[in-house]
Amino acid sequence: EPEVTQTPSHQVTQMGQEVILRCVPISNHLYFYWYRQILGQKVEFLVSFYNNEISEKSEIFDDQFSVERPDGSNFTLKIRSTKLEDSAMYFCASSVLAGGLETQYFGPGTRLLVL
Amino acid sequence: AQSVSQHNHHVILSEAASLELGCNYSYGGTVNLFWYVQYPGQHLQLLLKYFSGDPLVKGIKGFEAEFIKSKFSFNLRKPSVQWSDTAEYFCAVNLQYNTDKLIFGTGTRLQVFP
Repeated sequence: EPEVTQTPSHQVTQMGQEVILRCVPISNHLYFYWYRQILGQKVEFLVSFYNNEISEKSEIFDDQFSVERPDGSNFTLKIRSTKLEDSAMYFCASSVLAGGLETQYFGPGTRLLVL
Repeated sequence: AQSVSQHNHHVILSEAASLELGCNYSYGGTVNLFWYVQYPGQHLQLLLKYFSGDPLVKGIKGFEAEFIKSKFSFNLRKPSVQWSDTAEYFCAVNLQYNTDKLIFGTGTRLQVFP
């Protein structure tokens, strides 16, 4: 069964550094998402992406964050200058159709620790 | 603001016990409802979903959930749990037609002892 994959599984970085989290969505999916879960808190929506554009973003997704689909398979989340509060598990997800109409399939997550 | 509540944060059961995990949401419009499960060390997997039709939905591994619109609830049930059901369970809601995003509950950690 096809799966969403994410790399790296763990990332430790210094505050102020840039990080790029990578995701490979399921190959025939057209909609892509990033969520995050701060330890002990809810899974929170960050951004959705379709047709090479952001279709929706949350208030968390400020100018420090950006997403890109640099080629036909990868979907990346960049945090330009990490803060301590960015420490969280970041989940990528994808779906065939828009998230309201179709199941979103999640990757295993990248655990980011900002020191 | 729309929200999802899961009132059971940690549930401990013996094998063969029955399970019911509560999920309530706050939104007056039409919703899609999901239960996801995360086994230790694994990714979020879909257990079941409700978009429309029969409010009693059956999912994988013997799980089912009932959508009660008047109570804004979508409780997850299983008549007889197994040790392998030990996991974290997340209820999620999507507000139909308005948005792509899923709104998650805080999750319920289920531990099943043999």
